[in-house]
Amino acid sequence: QSVLTQPPSASGTPGQRVTISCSGSSSNIASNYVHWYQQLPGTAPRLLIYRNNQRPLGVPDRFSGSKSGTSASLAISGLRSEDEAHYYCAAWDDSLSGRVVFGGGTKLTVL
Amino acid sequence: EVQLLESGGGLVQPGGSLRLSCAASGFSFSNHAMSWVRQAPGKGLEWVATISGRGDRTYYADSVKGRLTISRDASKNMLYLQINSLRAEDTAVYFCAKDAYGSGIDYLDDWGQGTLVTVSS
Repeated sequence: QSVLTQPPSASGTPGQRVTISCSGSSSNIASNYVHWYQQLPGTAPRLLIYRNNQRPLGVPDRFSGSKSGTSASLAISGLRSEDEAHYYCAAWDDSLSGRVVFGGGTKLTVL
Repeated sequence: EVQLLESGGGLVQPGGSLRLSCAASGFSFSNHAMSWVRQAPGKGLEWVATISGRGDRTYYADSVKGRLTISRDASKNMLYLQINSLRAEDTAVYFCAKDAYGSGIDYLDDWGQGTLVTVSS
């Protein structure tokens, strides 16, 4: 049971816009930054969005992030076949003695 | 270019111990916190532990607290994870990851390719 809640799957056709949600609580998303990681099949995760809505160098502007209260979202516009991957949200959690919490991951399928 | 190279994984019997290593290069090692994140077969990412850049603070997931020890050697640019009393549920690929800053409570901007730990008799 992940501390952050994501839908297990999402899908879209090429060119479409899809969003993936991430729900948390006052001790994580509401009070800390949210980050998103992309994991292509058989590879290590890579940073996709950091600090809610910032893109690292090399990440296309088709990817965007947002946060409101205890929830965050990742949006992918102009969907491409190479976007088919698992997406994970993550945040620092202030409860206990501090920890990193991940969402359970969302498998994005490009139809 | 940042490089993180994990090693030390393998097949271990339940109850055994293992030390994973991560060789870091391409950045100022002591200026960055480092983390271990694991992924069981077919499952999602699970944060395991983080150590601050100076090594003076450590954070552990409740699920592993008491059995795992994260450490670092600044003179060798090495990160370690000692795992004791291994259980079947510790079977996973273990990724070494670099934090963007020194505190350990920010994002992981570089990841290694992972090392597989299999716990089985």
